[in-house]
Amino acid sequence: DTEVTQTPKHLVMGMTNKKSLKCEQHMGHRAMYWYKQKAKKPPELMFVYSYEKLSINESVPSRFSPECPNSSLLNLHLHALQPEDSALYLCASSPGGAFSPLHFGNGTRLTVT
Amino acid sequence: DAKTTQPPSMDCAEGRAANLPCNHSTISGNEYVYWYRQIHSQGPQYIIHGLKNNETNEMASLIITEDRKSSTLILPHATLRDTAVYYCIVRVFLGGYQKVTFGTGTKLQVIP
Repeated sequence: DTEVTQTPKHLVMGMTNKKSLKCEQHMGHRAMYWYKQKAKKPPELMFVYSYEKLSINESVPSRFSPECPNSSLLNLHLHALQPEDSALYLCASSPGGAFSPLHFGNGTRLTVT
Repeated sequence: DAKTTQPPSMDCAEGRAANLPCNHSTISGNEYVYWYRQIHSQGPQYIIHGLKNNETNEMASLIITEDRKSSTLILPHATLRDTAVYYCIVRVFLGGYQKVTFGTGTKLQVIP
């Protein structure tokens, strides 16, 4: 079991749909991350929030919109996605300290039809 | 962050030590070496990290060369559950958060 909870585990959506991915942690971590992972590839960083402020956006298309309502919750809003956006979306969190590792959830498997 | 180079795949017999190498020849003085692994259908899991001294925890040992240009992750008695992709990462702390960039990793297959 992981201490970072992602919902839903699986999501199928059409290209005209709007959906959201949710990530929750109750470890008191102050940084939260979104990664995207295509099949047989390493995870790719998308966004980083630190103390609820967006710190890194890795030039992600605007059809992906992150939101950090509070320090325990991270959302990824999806709109007008393309089939090539189908992937495993991973959330992670870390304490604010210098040496602390990232704690990952098990991801949401997204399929865009 | 410094780039890392790992072999794409390795096999290891169950019960034997698995030694996974990583080259990070452009590492700078304040960059740490981290290892994560990803078991199929799960998120990456932190294993161990180090700066310049060798480190050991309940999962593994990390050996870093004196010039810090390479390191080896050692799983002392590999089990079938250790079959996973292992990622070596060199990262810098940016103040409150980290920028962790994954390379292609090594797919370790533990064979019965």
